[in-house]
Amino acid sequence: KNQVEQSPQSLIILEGKNCTLQCNYTVSPFSNLRWYKQDTGRGPVSLTIMTFSENTKSNGRYTATLDADTKQSSLHITASQLSDSASYICVVSLGSSNTGKLIFGQGTTLQVKP
Amino acid sequence: DAGVIQSPRHEVTEMGQEVTLRCKPISGHNSLFWYRQTMMRGLELLIYFNNNVPIDDSGMPEDRFSAKMPNASFSTLKIQPSEPRDSAVYFCASSLVRGAPGQETQYFGPGTRLLVL
Repeated sequence: KNQVEQSPQSLIILEGKNCTLQCNYTVSPFSNLRWYKQDTGRGPVSLTIMTFSENTKSNGRYTATLDADTKQSSLHITASQLSDSASYICVVSLGSSNTGKLIFGQGTTLQVKP
Repeated sequence: DAGVIQSPRHEVTEMGQEVTLRCKPISGHNSLFWYRQTMMRGLELLIYFNNNVPIDDSGMPEDRFSAKMPNASFSTLKIQPSEPRDSAVYFCASSLVRGAPGQETQYFGPGTRLLVL
């Protein structure tokens, strides 16, 4: 079964600290992996997209890594800010689907406290 | 560009009533997606259009749900009759697909929060 699992489910950190969110997937065949940030009451916003051959991709203070062998990805947030408080969703695209079908994780809720 | 526009932003209705959600994709995008998000199930793809044609509707829960895209700048998602379990946030997203789908960035609208009493 194609699944995307994220951990932890929720996380609280102090402003300025770093944190790492995890994503494990069993989607096959794999096309690409995305990380989205979703602020409360808003739609998800794409942070990174990584294909099979990419190990790491950065977007400002966000760095995503991908290990296609172990089917794991992480999202590292450096020097967290209050505005980083949001839900972070890991999404994997099915390689065999003619729609590029996306399999969504349940998300990690991050709260950054002052 | 104003991004993906959805209306209404909030909808409260009674069980059995018809609900119509509207979406205007980003100009120039050729693909449109309808998603549903709940606490229990997270984000789920309901239906995907490419060049106004429905490509994959396998996520549509049942016959009570229907979606149309009469032109490149407008789509509707209709629920008739609505039930309390349809309560969720419904997102519309659009993207520009060049070649094989799945590599492009999807841009999400702000969502419609639906409550069926």
